[in-house]
Amino acid sequence: LAKTTQPISMDSYEGQEVNITCSHNNIATNDYITWYQQFPSQGPRFIIQGYKTKVTNEVASLFIPADRKSSTLSLPRVSLSDTAVYYCLVGDGGGGFKTIFGAGTRLFVKA
Amino acid sequence: DSGVTQTPKHLITATGQRVTLRCSPRSGDLSVYWYQQSLDQGLQFLIQYYNGEERAKGNILERFSAQQFPDLHSELNLSSLELGDSALYFCASSVGYPGTDTQYFGPGTRLTVL
Repeated sequence: LAKTTQPISMDSYEGQEVNITCSHNNIATNDYITWYQQFPSQGPRFIIQGYKTKVTNEVASLFIPADRKSSTLSLPRVSLSDTAVYYCLVGDGGGGFKTIFGAGTRLFVKA
Repeated sequence: DSGVTQTPKHLITATGQRVTLRCSPRSGDLSVYWYQQSLDQGLQFLIQYYNGEERAKGNILERFSAQQFPDLHSELNLSSLELGDSALYFCASSVGYPGTDTQYFGPGTRLTVL
C-alpha cells in the first residue's frame, strides 16, 4: 500500500486558490488517488478521485503528473467553510484493501 | 447526508465495560469499514468487511471485534474498555469493487470511557 506525504498545515485567504500536494512515490499500477475532506467531529467526505492527468468536478480539480508519484488537489476561490482537514489516499480498493489515512493537511482559511 | 447511519451517536461508559456500535451501510454497498479517531488524531483503520466476510484488518486490538451480518449491517464490539479507547468511531461503506472504491462515512459514534 502506497504511503502518502502531505503538508501538515496550510493557511489561505478567502477567494484564493489553494493547491495541496500529496507525494506517493510507491504508487502501484492499479492504485487510484482519492481525496477526502473532514470537518471537526464529522466523518470524512469524498471530494475527488483520479487515476491520471486531470479530473475536475463541481468542487475541486485533481492534477496527476505522468509518473503519478504525486498529485495536487486544487480548490478554487476558497471560503471560510473550506477550513478543514484534507486527506490524500492511494489504493486499489480491491481485495485486502486497507485504508491508511495519514495526518492530512489542515487548511485554515482566513477572512 | 452520506446514507450511512451509525448508532448510538454518543456513548458514555466505565472502564472494564463492553459496548456495541452499530452501522448500516448505504443501500447497495457491500463493504463496510471501521475507523477510530482519537482527539486531534488521524483516522486509524480498524477492519473491513465485504459481503459478510472479513477483507482486511488494520490496527484493531484483540479486545475489539466486528462482524457484518447477512443484511449487511455491521457491529463493532469493544470490550474491557480502557480510558484510551475514548474516541470517535466511524463507519464507512462502499460498493467494494476494486479500483474506484470510494468510501462514504457515517456521522460517527463518540465513545467516552470514564
